[in-house]
Amino acid sequence: DSGVTQTPKHLITATGQRVTLRCSPRSGDLSVYWYQQSLDQGLQFLIQYYNGEERAKGNILERFSAQQFPDLHSELNLSSLELGDSALYFCASSVAKGSNYGYTFGSGTRLTVV
Amino acid sequence: GENVEQHPSTLSVQEGDSAVIKCTYSDSASNYFPWYKQELGKRPQLIIDIRSNVGEKKDQRIAVTLNKTAKHFSLHITETQPEDSAVYFCAAGDFNKFYFGSGTKLNVKP
Repeated sequence: DSGVTQTPKHLITATGQRVTLRCSPRSGDLSVYWYQQSLDQGLQFLIQYYNGEERAKGNILERFSAQQFPDLHSELNLSSLELGDSALYFCASSVAKGSNYGYTFGSGTRLTVV
Repeated sequence: GENVEQHPSTLSVQEGDSAVIKCTYSDSASNYFPWYKQELGKRPQLIIDIRSNVGEKKDQRIAVTLNKTAKHFSLHITETQPEDSAVYFCAAGDFNKFYFGSGTKLNVKP
């Protein structure tokens, strides 16, 4: 167990629908990152939150949004889903202070859009 | 933004041989270069990292080198074992975000 918790583990939904993925960072970590990994693809950076504020944005579609709550958990909202949104969505967290830059990934949420 | 290129995309070696994976990056401001190992269906796990003020780092059978002038860094695995078979990702970035390479699928043949 990495300490980063993602729910749900699997999600199957229809095109056009909206889903919310949840991430609880490792205890003490202030930063949360979201990544998308399509089949046989690399890890595409979506967005980062640090202590409740958006810190960096990557290749995130306008149909996608995220937020980090006061208790530091984060949610990634995916709307108007398309078949191409089917992927593994990983959340990672880090202390993001001091000398420890390493990410810890959660186990991911596998989203299937049918 | 940062652009990280990783080669080769697949690598097959015999057990006991060495494996080398190479990455280049574009943003000279990048100062942190981690490597992740991802087994099939599992989460990526950090195996080694290096910062821009260090040229080389070693941890048992794994070593990473960094050439800041040329903007490239490499992962070296010696005495490979079947359990080293996985996809390896390099990344480059800074405090705020990392960008990952496209991954190298390493197959270690017994």
